[in-house]
Amino acid sequence: EAQVTQNPRYLITVTGKKLTVTCSQNMNHEYMSWYRQDPGLGLRQIYYSMNVEVTDKGDVPEGYKVSRKEKRNFPLILESPSPNQTSLYFCASIGAGLSEAFFGQGTRLTVV
Amino acid sequence: ILNVEQSPQSLHVQEGDSTNFTCSFPSSNFYALHWYRWETAKSPEALFVMTLNGDEKKKGRISATLNTKEGYSYLYIKGSQPEDSATYLCASKSNFGNEKLTFGTGTRLTIIP
Repeated sequence: EAQVTQNPRYLITVTGKKLTVTCSQNMNHEYMSWYRQDPGLGLRQIYYSMNVEVTDKGDVPEGYKVSRKEKRNFPLILESPSPNQTSLYFCASIGAGLSEAFFGQGTRLTVV
Repeated sequence: ILNVEQSPQSLHVQEGDSTNFTCSFPSSNFYALHWYRWETAKSPEALFVMTLNGDEKKKGRISATLNTKEGYSYLYIKGSQPEDSATYLCASKSNFGNEKLTFGTGTRLTIIP
């Protein structure tokens, strides 16, 4: 079964405490992406990766890092979280051409 | 149009009625248009991926049309049911050689029993 697994589902943390949200896909897709969802703003792209060791900034990359050491994994790293990073985060894996995007379960992050 | 825009933002529809909403996207460098259905507390799931001008796709009571020349797509739901309540997202993909999807802000549909 095609799957994108994202963890954790919920996370409450304090300002400045480094955290990582994991994302793993089983479809051998080359392209993976992180989005944040805020009320009234739609899904905004944070970072994306077109293949192993190939990552690039999306529309709202400030305060985030990513890595792509293996094709299946694409973790999102917040080195020093701040309250304005409180949001709902989605990882997605997208096949080439006319393939659809597959989303993880979402991570609701609260930074206090 | 530089961004992907959806209207209306929200919609309340009586059970059994039909409804439709709009997605507008940049027509230049267009490659594909995606529709996703996003239920509360779940993740978005794909409904349709469309690429050809005039394309029409159907899945049960839900259908979509595509006009790539003028940059819009309509999503139609016939005979709305309570389980249709969700946010419907559209996303545009350009032909720049990457797989980036640019999402609209969604139409939140509530079906009134």
